[in-house]
Amino acid sequence: GEDVEQSLFLSVREGDSSVINCTYTDSSSTYLYWYKQEPGAGLQLLTYIFSNMDMKQDQRLTVLLNKKDKHLSLRIADTQTGDSAIYFCAETSMDSNYQLIWGAGTKLIIKP
Amino acid sequence: DTGVSQNPRHKITKRGQNVTFRCDPISEHNRLYWYRQTLGQGPEFLTYFQNEAQLEKSRLLSDRFSAERPKGSFSTLEIQRTEQGDSAMYLCASSLAALSYNEQFFGPGTRLTVL
Repeated sequence: GEDVEQSLFLSVREGDSSVINCTYTDSSSTYLYWYKQEPGAGLQLLTYIFSNMDMKQDQRLTVLLNKKDKHLSLRIADTQTGDSAIYFCAETSMDSNYQLIWGAGTKLIIKP
Repeated sequence: DTGVSQNPRHKITKRGQNVTFRCDPISEHNRLYWYRQTLGQGPEFLTYFQNEAQLEKSRLLSDRFSAERPKGSFSTLEIQRTEQGDSAMYLCASSLAALSYNEQFFGPGTRLTVL
């Protein structure tokens, strides 16, 4: 089956940029997503990108998609303590009947 | 509307007992999903409904699991004869099928512990 992989942890200093990476195997992905999960709270969609785009920017968030390498990244500029969370990459495609295929999540740790 | 709600938030049960969870989606959403999440993993798809029709079930879903959405609004997930391996967070999400990017809105989850 299709797979999505992410590093489990990322540690950055407050004020620096965070870059969370994700790779996927589904060559027919249509949408790719970044979700955020904070303790005790539900998963929250941060942003998404359509597969025919290579970049999307939304305030402090920049998503880069390299479709050839099946690589997705999320850059958070000026990382704040409130950004501490687990970030999940997910993808969907017609082949998967538009089910979301999820990575295991990257825990973002902010150092003061 | 306050979003997707799930009840109970926590459930502790003994092995062999049946449990039932409830999910109330966002009112105008016609799709409803159930996922299971264990520590250090992403959500694992269990099943989804469009209105009251259950359109897909994961092949990983044991016969002990059943879900319903009788009137196309709230949904219930029942686990019969629970096993310790069923201990997990059970997540519900809803979405509006008309949106091309199919944003799923998640509830806070029900944490099940099987002793």
